[in-house]
Amino acid sequence: KQEVTQIPAALSVPEGENLVLNCSFTDSAIYNLQWFRQDPGKGLTSLLLIQSSQREQTSGRLNASLDKSSGRSTLYIAASQPGDSATYLCAVFSGGGADGLTFGKGTHLIIQP
Amino acid sequence: GAGVSQTPSNKVTEKGKYVELRCDPISGHTALYWYRQSLGQGPEFLIYFQGTGAADDSGLPNDRFFAVRPEGSVSTLKIQRTERGDSAVYLCASSPTGWETQYFGPGTRLLVL
Repeated sequence: KQEVTQIPAALSVPEGENLVLNCSFTDSAIYNLQWFRQDPGKGLTSLLLIQSSQREQTSGRLNASLDKSSGRSTLYIAASQPGDSATYLCAVFSGGGADGLTFGKGTHLIIQP
Repeated sequence: GAGVSQTPSNKVTEKGKYVELRCDPISGHTALYWYRQSLGQGPEFLIYFQGTGAADDSGLPNDRFFAVRPEGSVSTLKIQRTERGDSAVYLCASSPTGWETQYFGPGTRLLVL
């Protein structure tokens, strides 16, 4: 059974810092990996999707990398802003009959003004 | 265009009652998913529809939970004989064919008293 772990569970940093969120998964046979953002009391917003054949994806100040063989992904946030404060969730899609996403518990991020 | 919508946004019910939760996916998306998110946890997969049929219902916790999507668009998640442990946020997501980014609705917050 696929398991996804996110470290750290919580992180508080001053505005302007670059930071890295970590995600690991136990079964490397994935089809893709997504990073989501969740604001309090809200649904999930997709940030980046990396296909299993890709090494990284970039969107603005966000960069996500994937090392499928070692079961790891990182989300890099450059020049953090208070508006980046949210919970960040990593999810893997295995496909092939396992048709739902498997999520980690998330990293709760606070950017101090 | 319109995103995924869910109704109601909040539902309070008493133990033992029956509830229905509705999801309107993005128009044209054939894949629809239901997830359940408990406090402090990542979403957990419940069921996946491809068109009108439930392609994977392996995440439904027991036979009190049932979902339908009769015309391949709107879906309803039905919970019979609700229990306090059913209290959670129920999230719906859709994607164009099931192999791409999943787009999430805002969720229905269910509280069973």
